[in-house]
Amino acid sequence: AQKITQTQPGMFVQEKEAVTLDCTYDTSDQSYGLFWYKQPSSGEMIFLIYQGSYDEQNATEGRYSLNFQKARKSANLVISASQLGDSAMYFCAMREPRSISNFGNEKLTFGTGTRLTIIP
Amino acid sequence: EAQVTQNPRYLITVTGKKLTVTCSQNMNHEYMSWYRQDPGLGLRQIYYSMNVEVTDKGDVPEGYKVSRKEKRNFPLILESPSPNQTSLYFCASSLYRGQYEQYFGPGTRLTVT
Repeated sequence: AQKITQTQPGMFVQEKEAVTLDCTYDTSDQSYGLFWYKQPSSGEMIFLIYQGSYDEQNATEGRYSLNFQKARKSANLVISASQLGDSAMYFCAMREPRSISNFGNEKLTFGTGTRLTIIP
Repeated sequence: EAQVTQNPRYLITVTGKKLTVTCSQNMNHEYMSWYRQDPGLGLRQIYYSMNVEVTDKGDVPEGYKVSRKEKRNFPLILESPSPNQTSLYFCASSLYRGQYEQYFGPGTRLTVT
């Protein structure tokens, strides 16, 4: 079964510094997708970035980048120049690969999250 | 505006009283799914639907029912809620065939006493 591990329950980072949130995953499949979502205190889940397992380049979206190291099975989120509004819970997730036994389910398997607090 | 809506956003109810949480999307998405979020456990899938009249169980389906009579709607039904179903519930939707982002609703915080 697929598994996502986020080893940092909480992080405190000074405003304007870069921050790296760790995520490792476990799968025996070759085709999969990795996601990062942000959950602010208001509760909604906000999509940040996506990396496909066959993508050769690391994904970037504005201040967010994904440090994808396939051999190490890690997909760390990097936030550059952190802002106070970045304070939130961050979840790493993996989409189950499409297979005969799993046909049709686009389920995301989530990690337990990292609570990031940006300090002024 | 493309969105997934859920109602109600907050609900406090008593054990055994049937309730329905509605979910609707305006993006003509084929795939819809329900998750529950509990502290320390992340989000876990309850049920999913590939299209109208096609639904299947996720990882934690016990105590829940769903239906998909229309493409845009995917209600979650708790026939006899119990306190262990107190949780934050999310509905999500996406297209198949290439689109990778799942759009999440705003969440429904349910408390069963």
